[in-house]
Amino acid sequence: DAGVIQSPRHEVTEMGQEVTLRCKPISGHNSLFWYRQTMMRGLELLIYFNNNVPIDDSGMPEDRFSAKMPNASFSTLKIQPSEPRDSAVYFCASSFGGGDEQYFGPGTRLTVT
Amino acid sequence: SQQGEEDPQALSIQEGENATMNCSYKTSINNLQWYRQNSGRGLVHLILIRSNEREKHSGRLRVTLDTSKKSSSLLITASRAADTASYFCAPYNDMRFGAGTRLTVKP
Repeated sequence: DAGVIQSPRHEVTEMGQEVTLRCKPISGHNSLFWYRQTMMRGLELLIYFNNNVPIDDSGMPEDRFSAKMPNASFSTLKIQPSEPRDSAVYFCASSFGGGDEQYFGPGTRLTVT
Repeated sequence: SQQGEEDPQALSIQEGENATMNCSYKTSINNLQWYRQNSGRGLVHLILIRSNEREKHSGRLRVTLDTSKKSSSLLITASRAADTASYFCAPYNDMRFGAGTRLTVKP
């Protein structure tokens, strides 16, 4: 298996633009997590899906952020409109179950100017 | 939320020495996991210890769990420069992470 795949790896955009980050979890995994990491705030859990259903989205910062998982092999995290403070590395991770070993993707480094 | 809190925040040692990191949490758990993150990369799972286990080994790693004190420790023996990374604990069932311990192993 190729592991968790994230795209793009790097994204530079201007404030106000829409940003869509993509994730393909490991085949057979039922749980998917989106995290954001910055120097100031550390590694934050944004949202957690189980069997394609959002279970915990309490970490989503505000209405500008939305996440979807239309099927077991694909998820998106959208920011609209983007702001400079959204600049961070966004990680996607998947696991067999919510409390099992997580496999992280390489991350998407987002820069909003 | 129930995240682990690692201690110390930073640790610097010489190659060959042992490194010990601690984790505390607040509520009951089914298991606790340790992860490593090299700079700029995603986290990598190191070891999982279940609530009915007190100690677990994996290569140069030794993890202990004390559910009565709600704490865990990660020991890396005979450290190498390649062990330089940040280390995080994650108590089940809330996969949130603390600030981690930044380990630097000097050659």
